[in-house]
Amino acid sequence: SQKIEQNSEALNIQEGKTATLTCNYTNYSPAYLQWYRQDPGRGPVFLLLIRENEKEKRKERLKVTFDTTLKQSLFHITASQPADSATYLCALGGGADGLTFGKGTHLIIQP
Amino acid sequence: DAGVIQSPRHEVTEMGQEVTLRCKPISGHDYLFWYRQTMMRGLELLIYFNNNVPIDDSGMPEDRFSAKMPNASFSTLKIQPSEPRDSAVYFCASSLRGEWEKLFFGSGTQLSVL
Repeated sequence: SQKIEQNSEALNIQEGKTATLTCNYTNYSPAYLQWYRQDPGRGPVFLLLIRENEKEKRKERLKVTFDTTLKQSLFHITASQPADSATYLCALGGGADGLTFGKGTHLIIQP
Repeated sequence: DAGVIQSPRHEVTEMGQEVTLRCKPISGHDYLFWYRQTMMRGLELLIYFNNNVPIDDSGMPEDRFSAKMPNASFSTLKIQPSEPRDSAVYFCASSLRGEWEKLFFGSGTQLSVL
């Protein structure tokens, strides 16, 4: 069955450093991969989408890579700020099951 | 635009009662999705609609769950009878034809079944 793995443990990063989150998947060939941000008590908010034929995508301080051979995506936040603290979800799409989400990684940026 | 609007924000009910969750998608969006989020299972797709027509309801747990979309601006998710294991946060999301991969989520309904 399809499986998406994100680090379930919280990631603590010092302010100003680069935060790197990992999304691994198995038994899946997604046409695209997305990253969402979720704050407590709120719904997920779309951040970035990267397609299977793209290696890297950037948006301001965010960068996403997509390696279909390794079946892995990396999500980077450069010059991290306490306001970046949240849970980040990756989601795979393009298959018959629609969009499938990972459980998310909780990121804490410490001042 | 006000975004996707869900009501109620919180619902506490007793086992066996009927629960109705409501959603107003973003105006002009063609797709509407219902998700359920728990710590154990994360975000799970329950059902989605395209132009008010249910396309895939394979994620609906069992016959106790039903969803309707009578028009482009309103959808309901009903649980009857409710059970404690239905306790979760239920999200509605919508998206636009041509960009249907990009979902806009509501703030969710926190459901507690006692």
